[in-house]
Amino acid sequence: RKEVEQDPGPFNVPEGATVAFNCTYSNSASQSFFWYRQDCRKEPKLLMSVYSSGNEDGRFTAQLNRASQYISLLIRDSKLSDSATYLCAVNIPGDGGATNKLIFGTGTLLAVQP
Amino acid sequence: DTAVSQTPKYLVTQMGNDKSIKCEQNLGHDTMYWYKQDSKKFLKIMFSYNNKELIINETVPNRFSPKSPDKAHLNLHINSLELGDSAVYFCASSQPRGPSGSSYNEQFFGPGTRLTVL
Repeated sequence: RKEVEQDPGPFNVPEGATVAFNCTYSNSASQSFFWYRQDCRKEPKLLMSVYSSGNEDGRFTAQLNRASQYISLLIRDSKLSDSATYLCAVNIPGDGGATNKLIFGTGTLLAVQP
Repeated sequence: DTAVSQTPKYLVTQMGNDKSIKCEQNLGHDTMYWYKQDSKKFLKIMFSYNNKELIINETVPNRFSPKSPDKAHLNLHINSLELGDSAVYFCASSQPRGPSGSSYNEQFFGPGTRLTVL
């Protein structure tokens, strides 16, 4: 099983739709999880962090299911400007804070259509 | 103010050449990273440094040599460039925090260096 798996998409949705992405991880010791947004030819930008069961920021909700080892990102009322690739990242603990590393999923491409 | 900056933004070079990429962060973070994003957009960690000390080396060929002169800078030197080195290289930084033994590891990325080897 891959360390982090995402559905690559693309997800084509109309404006105003609600869309959800899932990301599964294999390391049960992971404690922190992230969603990044990456626009074409740009760097990944941190969108949301998830440390407990979930996090909400406006139209965006991230949830964590430790039992099933997945995180999800829900986008409500999609805007054209939400079109991007969404990367999930899972923190893999090392033997101290500085040796932790992020493992990224392959990203899910979202295209919001007018 | 740019939090994590990289130079150059684009790098086009011939096979066999040696090139360097520079990264600087002004966030006051202790930890910096190099990632490679290939043509399939897969983002993979290469190295991490904590306060100038190499912490993670993800079995990267030894043609790649990172150097950290201080905790705000992390450079990447690549010898004998190969076609397969063509990719986007991202620098990132983070400040591990949280209770002893844990880290939240929110990472912030530079704009990337698009390397093309001909």
